[in-house]
Amino acid sequence: DAGVIQSPRHEVTEMGQEVTLRCKPISGHDYLFWYRQTMMRGLELLIYFNNNVPIDDSGMPEDRFSAKMPNASFSTLKIQPSEPRDSAVYFCASTRQGSGNTIYFGEGSWLTVV
Amino acid sequence: QKEVEQNSGPLSVPEGAIASLNCTYSDRGSQSFFWYRQYSGKSPELIMFIYSNGDKEDGRFTAQLNKASQYVSLLIRDSQPSDSATYLCAVISSGSARQLTFGSGTQLTVLP
Repeated sequence: DAGVIQSPRHEVTEMGQEVTLRCKPISGHDYLFWYRQTMMRGLELLIYFNNNVPIDDSGMPEDRFSAKMPNASFSTLKIQPSEPRDSAVYFCASTRQGSGNTIYFGEGSWLTVV
Repeated sequence: QKEVEQNSGPLSVPEGAIASLNCTYSDRGSQSFFWYRQYSGKSPELIMFIYSNGDKEDGRFTAQLNKASQYVSLLIRDSQPSDSATYLCAVISSGSARQLTFGSGTQLTVLP
């Protein structure tokens, strides 16, 4: 069974550019999470979806960040415009109702904004 | 006040010893507790979860939960160099459906 799939794995972009990160959750999972990890702040929850509906986006740092989940098998996290302080590893994770709250992480998207 | 606190370490133990990792949480109503392991450059990987007070054992790993003290720990017996990683404590707080709040992690090094 394929795990959570993220793309791109690595991205280097210039300040001001738009960045789109993509995620395919595990098939059958109805919860999807976007986390950001930095040395300074650790792992932070940005937003999560249940059945494709955003439930809590209180962790989204500012309006430059947006996330969508148009269907059960795809989600995007967009940063526009990007800034150097957005440099981090962005993890997508998923789980399903009744799984005992076991959350599975993708391998992450390593973003560097220069 | 951070919701989930861990000693950042680094913690070093000799091979074969017991490594003890500790975590405290602020929300007394929290119900679900997790330990993740993260190797450098990799994603977090679930090691154990615990819901009830007491101990839960899985191989060389034992999770301990004390809700009265708002404390959860992870013991690794017979530590191996391959256990060297950052260990993240995570909690699902009361009122949260599935949201994990993570501690900052404890870096463990097992010395051969």
